[in-house]
Amino acid sequence: DVKVTQSSRYLVKRTGEKVFLECVQDMDHENMFWYRQDPGLGLRLIYFSYDVKMKEKGDIPEGYSVSREKKERFSLILESASTNQTSMYLCASSIPGHTYGYTFGSGTRLTVV
Amino acid sequence: DAKTTQPPSMDCAEGRAANLPCNHSTISGNEYVYWYRQIHSQGPQYIIHGLKNNETNEMASLIITEDRKSSTLILPHATLRDTAVYYCIVRVGGYSGGSNYKLTFGKGTLLTVNP
Repeated sequence: DVKVTQSSRYLVKRTGEKVFLECVQDMDHENMFWYRQDPGLGLRLIYFSYDVKMKEKGDIPEGYSVSREKKERFSLILESASTNQTSMYLCASSIPGHTYGYTFGSGTRLTVV
Repeated sequence: DAKTTQPPSMDCAEGRAANLPCNHSTISGNEYVYWYRQIHSQGPQYIIHGLKNNETNEMASLIITEDRKSSTLILPHATLRDTAVYYCIVRVGGYSGGSNYKLTFGKGTLLTVNP
């Protein structure tokens, strides 16, 4: 069964910490995405990557950065965590084109205290 | 990407067909209709997609009107495990890079399947 695996299901960090959220996919997909999901706001795209070392900003990139050194791994970095970054973070992957849907991970619920 | 409109919630009896509507009146000729669902505390799951023709897979059927301004996702025999938020998304198809890759999720429809 194909998978997108997020390293942590639940995470608690302190304000000001540097936080790394890791995502690994085993489907050899070119595209990878980071979304956050908040009640009443739905899913919002933070960053995406369409190739190794390539990245593009999504709708809400402020306060985040990403790294994609290998095709299977896409990391989301919170440079200095703040309480307003408390959220559910979802990683997804896909291949280019319309034929295939996205595969999502189970999510990481991050709490910044 | 075209905007979609879905009812915020719907109920369905277990074993009956669930018909979830979606309006996308500003859809362009090269935009596809995608359906995803999200069961509580899980990531969204791809269900089905289509351009013009009706589509069916092991999970659901997708009916797209001839003018493509609306569509209906049909779960033929809903079970309790189908209780979820269902998202209808339209997006440009093809391999053209950049922001065409991204999916924009709206609020979706909360489908509750009752015993």
